[in-house]
Amino acid sequence: QSALTQPPSASGSPGQSVTISCTGTSSDVGGYNYVSWYQQHPGKAPKLMIFEVSKRPSGVPDRFSGSKSGNTASLTVSGLQAEDEADYYCSSYARSNNCVFGTGTKVTVL
Amino acid sequence: EVQLVESGGGLVQPGGSLRLSCAASGFTFSSYWMHWVRQAPGKGLVWVSRINSDGSSSTHADSVKGRFTISRDNAKNTLYLQMNSLRVEDTAVYYCARNYNNAMDVWGQGTTVTVSS
Repeated sequence: QSALTQPPSASGSPGQSVTISCTGTSSDVGGYNYVSWYQQHPGKAPKLMIFEVSKRPSGVPDRFSGSKSGNTASLTVSGLQAEDEADYYCSSYARSNNCVFGTGTKVTVL
Repeated sequence: EVQLVESGGGLVQPGGSLRLSCAASGFTFSSYWMHWVRQAPGKGLVWVSRINSDGSSSTHADSVKGRFTISRDNAKNTLYLQMNSLRVEDTAVYYCARNYNNAMDVWGQGTTVTVSS
């Protein structure tokens, strides 16, 4: 149950796009279409932003999009806004009914 | 309003025990699988445990297997995490979360567990 690998940080100016990668194995990311992404502001609970690789829950702006290729999933935030500055975590269903999170990425809006 | 409220956190000595609770409201609790997730100070999210809707099946992360037990009481709309043989490295904020298509769509505010002598 090793954590999925994410870059520690990413940044962009307002209006730009930023893409965060999430790399796992064939036992998690690559084996199932159950990748989800969470946004967490300091001191707050995480918020679901993407589920099943690319689906957005009601209320999440369409600036947020997800994709997957092989063992790597990605979250793209387009049209960056100040309120997008937060920590982002990927997660995947894993073999034997387990779940694994990514290492987390801090997104900074310059 | 759909809501999850954790309680039961606190300060405990290494080797001690603690039971966390998560009270659910605003949705049909008995229809959903549930999770516990923790976050050590300044660190990332770590999945801890998952239980199915009727409580007949559960899984735990290797790091807590044999020490932690997830359970639920659907009549009381409450999820539990029994934590035994606690270690310093179990110190974290513990969140309960509702499962939705193998994602977690509703989260509580978290309860803090500190393991220290």
